[in-house]
Parts: sequence; structure tokens; C-alpha cells
Amino acid sequence: EVVLTQSPGTLSLSPGERATLSCRASQTVNSNSLAWYQQRPGQAPRLLIYAASSRAPGIPGRFSGSGSGTDFTLSISRLEPEDFAVYFCQQYGSSPYTFGQGTKLDIK
Amino acid sequence: QVQLQESGPGLVKPSETLSLTCTVSGGPIQTYYWSWIRQVPGKGLEWIGCIYDNGSTIYNPSLKSRVSISVGLSENQLSLKINSVTAADTAMYYCARGSGGIWGQGTMVTVSS
Repeated sequence: EVVLTQSPGTLSLSPGERATLSCRASQTVNSNSLAWYQQRPGQAPRLLIYAASSRAPGIPGRFSGSGSGTDFTLSISRLEPEDFAVYFCQQYGSSPYTFGQGTKLDIK
Repeated sequence: QVQLQESGPGLVKPSETLSLTCTVSGGPIQTYYWSWIRQVPGKGLEWIGCIYDNGSTIYNPSLKSRVSISVGLSENQLSLKINSVTAADTAMYYCARGSGGIWGQGTMVTVSS
């Protein structure tokens, strides 16, 4: 099973700042099959990034994904108030598909 | 626009079977694969399993002996069954297209006598 470790656990930033979230895999993620999700309180997760760096339809350009192999990053260039939420990474390259434990992005 | 809606009992007794349905609207169910994912409130996400367009399934080994996912093509519905439930199965249950491209709003299931 591929274990995904996200860091930091909590990230405190101000609107307008840049956020960098990390997701590290215990083994190589097949075909860079790595996704990022945003979850706001009381809502289902929403797909932001798939295949490590492809933005999902309708996702603003300030969200970007990068990385390959075992190290992946989600960047948010200029934080908007609605971006403060929990972010999860997921690998879907090998079964069982696994999620990271999440990074909470909160307002400083 | 494709939408997913989970439904089923909100309360299940220990040792019984949890049965949920996901109704897909706005698009055909047979051209994608579909997943079930759950989340204990305030905690992380756990992938339960998925079913492909050819009917094949894969399950999380942590649940494999107790879980079953199927598709009803005529009803455009996806179903999940987990038998012999315990309190540890209490969670919000989501269906999703693919591994997580589009999600339903989720349905909360509590296992309690």
C-alpha cells in the first residue's frame, strides 16, 4: 500500500500570500497518478488537480500542482478567502487508492 | 451536468448490512468507473473500492471480505454493501466518478444499537 504523508499538518497564512503544500509517497506513484482535493467544512471534497499537474475543469489558475515519483506539491499563488480549507492528496496509480491525512490551511 | 446523490439508512445496527445507493443523473453510468469513499467526521478519507465499466471491481483490503459494489445500468445507480458492520463503520459515505472527479454530497451512516 502506498502511504501518503502530507506536510505541514496546519499552515497559517494571510490572504494574498502563497501557499505550498507537500505530499510525499512511501513508494513511486505509478504514472504520476496523484490528485489534490479541497474540502470546505460541511462539503464533499472537490477535485483540484489530477495527474500531478493537470487542473480540473473550472479550477482557478492560482492552483497548480507539480512533482513526480514520490514528491508532489500543491501551490496556491495568491490566497483568496475561500481557499482556507483542508487539502488532501490521493494516489490512484495502485490499489488500494490511498489518501494523505490532510493539510489544514487556515487564516493567520 | 453530471450529479451524484447518495441515499440509504442513516442508522444501522451492529452486525447488520449497510446498504447505500448512488443515483447518477445528467450522464450515463456505463462509460466511467465509479468509487465509494468514506470519511469519519473530522478525520481523513478512506477509499472503499471501485467498479469499472466492464463490471470488474477492486476493494480496499481492509474491507475486502465485507464489501460489495455493483451497478444497475437501467436505473443509472451504483450500490454499496458492507456486511457485519461495527461502530468503526460509522462515517460519511461518498460516491464519486472515477477516483474522485465528481462527488456526491455524501450520506452519514451511524452504526449503533
